[in-house]
Amino acid sequence: EVHLVESGGGLAQPGGSLRLSCAASGFSFSSYAMNWVRQTPGKGLEWASYISSRSSTTYYADSVKGRFTISRDNAKNSLYLEMNSLRDEDTGVYYCAREAYTSGWPFDHWGQGTPVIVSA
Amino acid sequence: DIQMTQFPSSLSASVGDRVTITCRASQSIRSYLNWYQQKPGKAPNLLIYDASSLQSGVPSRFSGSGSGTDFTLTISSLQPEDFATYYCQQSYDTPKTFGHGTKVEI
Repeated sequence: EVHLVESGGGLAQPGGSLRLSCAASGFSFSSYAMNWVRQTPGKGLEWASYISSRSSTTYYADSVKGRFTISRDNAKNSLYLEMNSLRDEDTGVYYCAREAYTSGWPFDHWGQGTPVIVSA
Repeated sequence: DIQMTQFPSSLSASVGDRVTITCRASQSIRSYLNWYQQKPGKAPNLLIYDASSLQSGVPSRFSGSGSGTDFTLTISSLQPEDFATYYCQQSYDTPKTFGHGTKVEI
């Protein structure tokens, strides 16, 4: 069974940093592209970042570009999101999501989410 | 970015009702449209991908249709466990944008 478990969320001050992790199990992690999706009070569900299966390609939403860095360690079956220069509007729940190997590349498995609160 | 507009934003329905939710893209996305269901405190769950393909394990009362810019999600006979918020998402282009959701309430 596919399992994705996020961790690392919490309270951070504006301008601060957090590192989110997503531990994957139950599938061949190194074969799948992965994404971070966040759910914020202001924008609802918002795709944040993508990384290909072997880390050769990454994409970012404009709202996080230059501040967030996605990475993965296939040997550890883990996905990461390094979040710097945090802003109030980054507050929300952050999900890791697997990109399905099928037409349209939907997100077929999600973690339970980890909350991030940016506040002074 | 491709904008996704869902309507209605909320609806009231009863068990057994046929429910239809609409999603419109700001430009053609061919059939690269996905539907998710989200219950309070839970992650979204994939229902439909490629506009009309039913995800494994999803009940057949859920169906999707459309192509280009206009899409619909239909629940043929609403069940108690279907009261939730539904989101469309385009996967034609990055960023893979979501609609703002339709809350289905009693």
